[in-house]
Amino acid sequence: DTEVTQTPKHLVMGMTNKKSLKCEQHMGHRAMYWYKQKAKKPPELMFVYSYEKLSINESVPSRFSPECPNSSLLNLHLHALQPEDSALYLCASSRAGQGTDTQYFGPGTRLTVL
Amino acid sequence: AQRVTQPEKLLSVFKGAPVELKCNYSYSGSPELFWYVQYSRQRLQLLLRHISRESIKGFTADLNKGETSFHLKKPFAQEEDSAMYYCALDTGRRALTFGSGTRLQVQP
Repeated sequence: DTEVTQTPKHLVMGMTNKKSLKCEQHMGHRAMYWYKQKAKKPPELMFVYSYEKLSINESVPSRFSPECPNSSLLNLHLHALQPEDSALYLCASSRAGQGTDTQYFGPGTRLTVL
Repeated sequence: AQRVTQPEKLLSVFKGAPVELKCNYSYSGSPELFWYVQYSRQRLQLLLRHISRESIKGFTADLNKGETSFHLKKPFAQEEDSAMYYCALDTGRRALTFGSGTRLQVQP
């Protein structure tokens, strides 16, 4: 399996809802990432996990809560989001060796907050 | 802080014409530079990285540290090259900073 998968493909939620985005890879990668991509904009890094530990949090609001339960799985828990959080959420993974390795991206979850 | 600039939002060329997508960066250290591509209805994927110095699908990019540039070039564009191209930089934190992207349209 050489792909990063993300579920769901689409998600619509209200501002009081709690939902989760899921990302999975079986390439043996030990670094996983969450990016946010607004329409007609480039992806912006949110979080980086390395060996299941959070290594980078790009000052993301606490209504976004990442979790890495094991080396293959990455979740993003959402709570009390705002309409401006509507975006495409991309997951990526890479090897976690020395230096920078190629990041492999998932197809994304398109989130709409009403 | 690091920054990646892609000055063209849209580049339109005819099939067989040369292509150059511009990328300039600002970072005081030694970054790693990448070009990622997103074809219609497909996921973002790596096209090439400066450290590999290879040609992928006929595209090449040379890192010019003096001009802080990493322009993407192809001598003869093909219709299947039409896509969104992002230049990206990593300072070694494993955190990619993307440019705003250039949409390449190759007309028949």
